[in-house]
Amino acid sequence: NAGVMQNPRHLVRRRGQEARLRCSPMKGHSHVYWYRQLPEEGLKFMVYLQKENIIDESGMPKERFSAEFPKEGPSILRIQQVVRGDSAAYFCASSPGLVSYEQYFGPGTRLTVT
Amino acid sequence: RKEVEQDPGPFNVPEGATVAFNCTYSNSASQSFFWYRQDCRKEPKLLMSVYSSGNEDGRFTAQLNRASQYISLLIRDSKLSDSATYLCVVNKAAGNKLTFGGGTRVLVKP
Repeated sequence: NAGVMQNPRHLVRRRGQEARLRCSPMKGHSHVYWYRQLPEEGLKFMVYLQKENIIDESGMPKERFSAEFPKEGPSILRIQQVVRGDSAAYFCASSPGLVSYEQYFGPGTRLTVT
Repeated sequence: RKEVEQDPGPFNVPEGATVAFNCTYSNSASQSFFWYRQDCRKEPKLLMSVYSSGNEDGRFTAQLNRASQYISLLIRDSKLSDSATYLCVVNKAAGNKLTFGGGTRVLVKP
């Protein structure tokens, strides 16, 4: 049973470019969460999605960041016009749904903005 | 005040020794509790869920004290491979976001 998959694992973008991070949840999981870990800091929740719905985006910056989880395909976290402060590890987690509180994490995407 | 607070450590532990540490949480509505471990520059991995009655998984024992709002983790017979950062995590409800503590770093030395 494949775990949570994320790609790319490493992404380098120049300031002002767009970054697209992809996450495929574990098989059978319909809930996806995105977290960000800034250098030397703890993980912070960004957004929680189910298929075609954003359930909680209280941790998302108001500008430049968006997320989706379409009916088909992976969840996408999109960062427009990246700035150096966006450099971080972005982790995706998935869970099977409301029957389980446990979330399982993917290997993360390390975004570096130059 | 942070929602989940942990002693950052590091806890330097001789191989084979026992180490224990805890965390406190501020939101009394928290319903689920976990310990994750995170190795350097890797993803957090679920170590164990923490139940009200306390639970054990091999060399790891977790306790929950709802009245005082703290969670503990005890590692017996420490192995070199136990060196990691241990993250205390709480969740208000199924399907809700996880709130992470800053982590406690444990270094097991021969």
